[in-house]
Amino acid sequence: TQLLEQSPQFLSIQEGENLTVYCNSSSVFSSLQWYRQEPGEGPVLLVTVVTGGEVKKLKRLTFQFGDARKDSSLHITAAQTGDTGLYLCAARYGNKLVFGAGTILRVKS
Amino acid sequence: GAGVSQSPSNKVTEKGKDVELRCDPISGHTALYWYRQSLGQGLEFLIYFQGNSAPDKSGLPSDRFSAERTGGSVSTLTIQRTQQEDSAVYLCASSLGHQETQYFGPGTRLLVL
Repeated sequence: TQLLEQSPQFLSIQEGENLTVYCNSSSVFSSLQWYRQEPGEGPVLLVTVVTGGEVKKLKRLTFQFGDARKDSSLHITAAQTGDTGLYLCAARYGNKLVFGAGTILRVKS
Repeated sequence: GAGVSQSPSNKVTEKGKDVELRCDPISGHTALYWYRQSLGQGLEFLIYFQGNSAPDKSGLPSDRFSAERTGGSVSTLTIQRTQQEDSAVYLCASSLGHQETQYFGPGTRLLVL
């Protein structure tokens, strides 16, 4: 059983559409991170959310941390082909980061 | 500046052989992590080095896996008597210190035939 459950596993959309991906857990976390990973590369940190109910915006990306600090969402507005990649959520668990299985996003032109 | 580098980028080996994977962290980073990423899975923590402290080996899946970090810099992950289920991407990350942002290398793609 994954500590962090991500959904959907795969998303294929047209350029210009909006989308939301989710990261859920039954555990409470002090913070949660979102990463983006492109083929042949390592994950790159997009954002860290630390406060329950927090909303952070990064250009067309909006990240939200649930009030209870158990879940998070990533919303992309007007997706572009350059948004294609694997989106991973992660939470600190002792010395390590625990990752969800990821959402593969494909944006078609 | 230079990021985290890993070598080789790809490795194909036969079942039963030993392999060594190398990670060069960002200069000055005291923390170094190894993760494994299998197809359709997220990253799985393997081992963590922090300065001169004893490493956290709690994620190593079996005693065939070991890792060293020499001189607080370069790290080597060794897999002995490789099995087909060891096939995965092995990622290394480093950070300035404990619980700081982790910067990942591009990974080594290991295929065990």
